[in-house]
Amino acid sequence: EAQVTQNPRYLITVTGKKLTVTCSQNMNHEYMSWYRQDPGLGLRQIYYSMNVEVTDKGDVPEGYKVSRKEKRNFPLILESPSPNQTSLYFCASSSSRSGNEQYFGPGTRLTVT
Amino acid sequence: DQQVKQNSPSLSVQEGRISILNCDYTNSMFDYFLWYKKYPAEGPTFLISISSIKDKNEDGRFTVFLNKSAKHLSLHIVPSQPGDSAVYFCAASARNTGKLIFGQGTTLQVKP
Repeated sequence: EAQVTQNPRYLITVTGKKLTVTCSQNMNHEYMSWYRQDPGLGLRQIYYSMNVEVTDKGDVPEGYKVSRKEKRNFPLILESPSPNQTSLYFCASSSSRSGNEQYFGPGTRLTVT
Repeated sequence: DQQVKQNSPSLSVQEGRISILNCDYTNSMFDYFLWYKKYPAEGPTFLISISSIKDKNEDGRFTVFLNKSAKHLSLHIVPSQPGDSAVYFCAASARNTGKLIFGQGTTLQVKP
């Protein structure tokens, strides 16, 4: 089954404790992205990657890091989480041939206290 | 600076009637537009898209209209069904960049 998976689905952590949210896709897609969803703001892109070892900042990259060492994986790293990073996070992927019809993962609900 | 705007946070329609969701954009470089549907506790799912070379795209009950001069697009759902109740996001991109800009979303409620 074609899918984008994220782990964990739910996470409660404390300020400053480094964490990683994993994302994996099994569709051999070139493009992958991370978004955060906040009330009244919709989905905002954090980082995106057009292929292995190629990443670029989205609209809200501050406080986040990403890496794309393999085509299927695109982890999101919060080196020192803060309460303003409490949000719902989505990973997405798409093929370079499909326009920008992105497939989304189920989301990760992160709470930073 | 919100490049893609959905000015109606919510919309309520009766089952069987038409639902019209609106979206405005400011960046004239956008050349591809998409609508996504999102149920609670799930990721957004792709619904329908339109290229800037077209002004209409239809897929079953869903039609997207694009007015480039007004920088406006709309999603029509006819007839609306209770299962269509969800949050709808419009999104735009410039060329095949993998970068999507989303609107704030509109919550549609279809009443039986």
